[in-house]
Parts: sequence; structure tokens; C-alpha cells
Amino acid sequence: DGGITQSPKYLFRKEGQNVTLSCEQNLNHDAMYWYRQDPGQGLRLIYYSQIVNDFQKGDIAEGYSVSREKKESFPLTVTSAQKNPTAFYLCASSILRDRVGGYTFGSGTRLTVV
Amino acid sequence: GIQVEQSPPDLILQEGANSTLRCNFSDSVNNLQWFHQNPWGQLINLFYIPSGTKQNGRLSATTVATERYSLLYISSSQTTDSGVYFCAVERRTNAGKSTFGDGTTLTVKP
Repeated sequence: DGGITQSPKYLFRKEGQNVTLSCEQNLNHDAMYWYRQDPGQGLRLIYYSQIVNDFQKGDIAEGYSVSREKKESFPLTVTSAQKNPTAFYLCASSILRDRVGGYTFGSGTRLTVV
Repeated sequence: GIQVEQSPPDLILQEGANSTLRCNFSDSVNNLQWFHQNPWGQLINLFYIPSGTKQNGRLSATTVATERYSLLYISSSQTTDSGVYFCAVERRTNAGKSTFGDGTTLTVKP
């Protein structure tokens, strides 16, 4: 079955460490997105990519980095420059042309700073 | 940027009741989506509805793009409908970038 897979489900980061969250999709979707969700709040866009080897900053990109070397993969690195990284991170994908449907989301990664 | 306001912020219903959730947005959009987030955090796409009306079982949605709002109707609610409902919009001038509202938390009691 096609879908979008995020790993790991839970991640613990020490102060000053960089960590990378994985997002893989086998839906042949063009676009991929990373969102951050804090408790009791909506989702905020970190980065998005509409094509391989290209990506754009969202509303809260500071302290994060991404790459899109393959259509199927869009990993997110949370760097030590992100001062408050504890949150729930969600990856999504969508088609772009002839759109009849919306986003498909992964099951998320919960990141905690220890 | 575009503002997305959802109301009410919280809603408590008895099983079997009907409800209407609202999403207002401040600019022209070229797409609008409704999502349900379950207690484990999984987001499920309910509707992709830039305009018009769609129905899927007990759920239906209507978007009036010219008046900048969308409504999600839930009929004969069940306890499994509990969770947070989000609206997300994509501006015409910023394709590919969706902005989410803060959500409506629905609790359905047996």
C-alpha cells in the first residue's frame, strides 16, 4: 500500500546536538512538506519542496535544514540553532498538477530535548 | 500572511447530535482542506474543497470562496469523531504553501 512513513516515532535530543527526522513516501507525489505542532496549537510550516533539488522556507525555518535529493525522501535536520525544538513534527506530501485531493500526512515524530 | 480562524475552539456533544464547524480566512484561496487529528496525533484528510459542497458519509463540507469561509458538518456524531478538526488554506498568490487554523477540539460523549 502507498503511504508516507516517518521515523523515528520518538526522538530524544541533548542540548547542542543536531538530529535528523526521516520522511519517505511511495505515493509518487511531487510535493513534500514539514510542519511543526506545539501542544494545543495548529500546524506551522517549516519547509516545503515541490521538485527534487529545490525547496522553500516556510514560516518558521530558522534552526532547521532540509534536502530533497530524491522524489521519495525529504529529511529534516533540527540543528543546535533551534532553541526550542521540543514539539511534534509532521511530514506531508501531495500531487501538484491536476489536483483533486489534498495532503497525505505521516504519523509524526515526537522530539524531546533532554 | 493569510489569517485562518476556526470556531468554536471547543465543542462538547452527546452522541447522536449534529454539529457545524466554521473556518474563516482573510484572503482569496485556491484550495482548502479539512483534517481530523485523532488522539494519537494522526492527521486524516477529510475534504479537499476549494469551492462548492462535498459529502462523505456523515460528514459534509461547504466552501463559499467569494465570502471567505468554509463549514464542516458532522451529523449523528459518534465517540470516534472526537479529536481536533483543522482547516488549512492555500493562497492564490502562494501556491504550495498551506496555512492551518488553530483547530476545533470536539469531544463526543456516550
